[in-house]
Amino acid sequence: GAVVSQHPSRVICKSGTSVKIECRSLDFQATTMFWYRQFPKQSLMLMATSNEGSKATYEQGVEKDKFLINHASLTLSTLTVTSAHPEDSSFYICSAREKGDTGELFFGEGSRLTVL
Amino acid sequence: GQNIDQPTEMTATEGAIVQINCTYQTSGFNGLFWYQQHAGEAPTFLSYNVLDGLEEKGRFSSFLSRSKGYSYLLLKELQMKDSASYLCAAMDSNYQLIWGAGTKLIIKP
Repeated sequence: GAVVSQHPSRVICKSGTSVKIECRSLDFQATTMFWYRQFPKQSLMLMATSNEGSKATYEQGVEKDKFLINHASLTLSTLTVTSAHPEDSSFYICSAREKGDTGELFFGEGSRLTVL
Repeated sequence: GQNIDQPTEMTATEGAIVQINCTYQTSGFNGLFWYQQHAGEAPTFLSYNVLDGLEEKGRFSSFLSRSKGYSYLLLKELQMKDSASYLCAAMDSNYQLIWGAGTKLIIKP
């Protein structure tokens, strides 16, 4: 199956710093990538939908100036958590859908962010 | 509104069979997904149903009834490694996934 790689898998940072998480589709072109966050024992919460070459579409309640998403190519999307605070500590997961495909999503391994 | 319901937690015995149910209400429908998620890891794809009926894939099977807005995931010959959360997700008319909260499956020896 298709592979989506997410990096870093774990990151610890100080409050006030910014953290960038990368999501790459390794063997397919992903027109659309999705960013989720997941708190312990809860389901995935969609943060934003990222389309290559255009601005991301953010879900209600997600601050677009705090969670910057860039989808510069068909194989790479990045999520930058700006001025991170302890409440931003969470598990961030990306997923990608193959170009032209409206079916299965392929997930990255996830990135656990801990803000001290 | 759009909604997915699945049980919060289930317990089963190693070697047995368990069925995890999911009901959904979405604006339009483009398929029903099941994902498995182990603690601290990203979800992995199990199945996709868009037509009514049963899809069998090894020890796992998934069933869909579109008229009832209902699906189930059937796990046979349970193994300890099947202990995980199982997420049900329905795809709406905009091809967006609506996620359930997940069912935590506990397997006992």
